[in-house]
Amino acid sequence: DIVMTQSPDSLAVSLGARATFNCKSSQSLLFSSNNENCLAWYQQKPGQPPRLLISWASTRESGVPDRFSGSGSGTDFTLTISSLEAEDVAVYYCQQYHTTPWTFGQGTKVEI
Amino acid sequence: QVQLVQSGAEVKKPGSSVKVSCKASGGTFSNSAISWVRQAPGQGLEWMGGIIPMFGTTKFAQNLHGRVTISVDESTGIAYMEMSSLRSDDTAVYYCARVSSNSPLNHWYFDLWGRGSLVTVSS
Repeated sequence: DIVMTQSPDSLAVSLGARATFNCKSSQSLLFSSNNENCLAWYQQKPGQPPRLLISWASTRESGVPDRFSGSGSGTDFTLTISSLEAEDVAVYYCQQYHTTPWTFGQGTKVEI
Repeated sequence: QVQLVQSGAEVKKPGSSVKVSCKASGGTFSNSAISWVRQAPGQGLEWMGGIIPMFGTTKFAQNLHGRVTISVDESTGIAYMEMSSLRSDDTAVYYCARVSSNSPLNHWYFDLWGRGSLVTVSS
C-alpha cells in the first residue's frame, strides 16, 4: 500500500498568517495518462465530514476560497493557506488515488 | 443540490453484522461510483471499498475484503455497506462518499460526503 505521511501533526498559526503543511507519499503519484499527480486534499471540521478542497495536487474545487493552494509533484506535496481565517481551523488530510487501496495521511490539525 | 443522506447510529454486539445505507437526496448518484470511508474515534480516514453502479463492479481494501459487502439498489437509489463479524475496533463513523466525475475510472477521489453513521461495537 502507498503510505501517506503528513507533517507536522499540528500547527498553530496566527489569524492572517500563512499556513503550510506537507504530505509525502511512499511512491510517485504521477499519472502517466495526463502527467498530473493523483493527490487530493480535504478539510475536516469537528463533527463534520471531510470536504474536498483540491484534486490533482493543485486544482481547487469550485467554491473553495483562493487562499487555499496546492503544489508539489511526484512524492512531495504542500497545501498552503495564504492568510488564515478563523473558519480554517480544522484537520487537513491528503489522499492518494494513484493505486488502490486509496490511502490518506494521518492529518494535520490547524489551530489559531 | 444533491446530498448523501445516511442511516442512523447503530450499536452492535461483537460478531454481529451491520448494514448502513446512503441515499442521494435531491438527485441521483448520476452514474457516479460510491465509496465507503470510515473514521475511528479521534483517528484518521480509512478507505474501505466502493462500487461503480453502472457496471456493478466493486473494489475493496484488502484488509476488509471478505467482511464487507457493498451494493446499490438502483430502483431506490440507495447504496449499502454491510460489514460482518464485527469487532470492537470496527467502532467508527462510516461515511459514504461520491467519487468525483473528474476522477479517471479507476482512480477515485471524493467530492461529496454523507454526514456519517456511527457504528459502535460493544458487548
